[in-house]
Amino acid sequence: DQQVKQNSPSLSVQEGRISILNCDYTNSMFDYFLWYKKYPAEGPTFLISISSIKDKNEDGRFTVFLNKSAKHLSLHIVPSQPGDSAVYFCAASLGGTSYGKLTFGQGTILTVHP
Amino acid sequence: EAQVTQNPRYLITVTGKKLTVTCSQNMNHEYMSWYRQDPGLGLRQIYYSMNVEVTDKGDVPEGYKVSRKEKRNFPLILESPSPNQTSLYFCASSSPGGNSPLHFGNGTRLTVT
Repeated sequence: DQQVKQNSPSLSVQEGRISILNCDYTNSMFDYFLWYKKYPAEGPTFLISISSIKDKNEDGRFTVFLNKSAKHLSLHIVPSQPGDSAVYFCAASLGGTSYGKLTFGQGTILTVHP
Repeated sequence: EAQVTQNPRYLITVTGKKLTVTCSQNMNHEYMSWYRQDPGLGLRQIYYSMNVEVTDKGDVPEGYKVSRKEKRNFPLILESPSPNQTSLYFCASSSPGGNSPLHFGNGTRLTVT
């Protein structure tokens, strides 16, 4: 049973436009959410996170929105750049990132065209 | 440079031949864990360790063993690999408390024939 789902396997965006990546979860006990970015032949790297007590967190071009009632979070990248092309994973945890236990979505491949 | 180092990066083996994938971190992190990445399934946790000599099962522990004899090292052992363990494996570490993000190694691509 996939508790964290990314229903779009891929997304294609023009450089300079907004990229919106979506993620849904089923476990209402999750209280911390993260986005990771992964380039080929590298490990995932942390991008941005949000606690369940917030509904928005911003870091430069990246903004994560959390809608707890809908059990939905999204990552907005504005403006998108070709270097943003990667696989994006959303992840959720219980009680912060205790013990390094994260539940990941399947990932979304983002391609930003010049 | 702060990093998580896995070896080997690529490994091809045959069914039943024991193998070990090593993982080492230089950030003095207490927590370490192993994940496997499979198409359509994302990353799933295999085992984790809260500190030296303290380990526990994750979501998909069958067929794997781990040990944590030193803080910096967390090897993953496949005593009798099978083809369904063909996957991309990642080691990760983090510091305890708060919401410290996981730091991942660059992965080990394992093929079991």
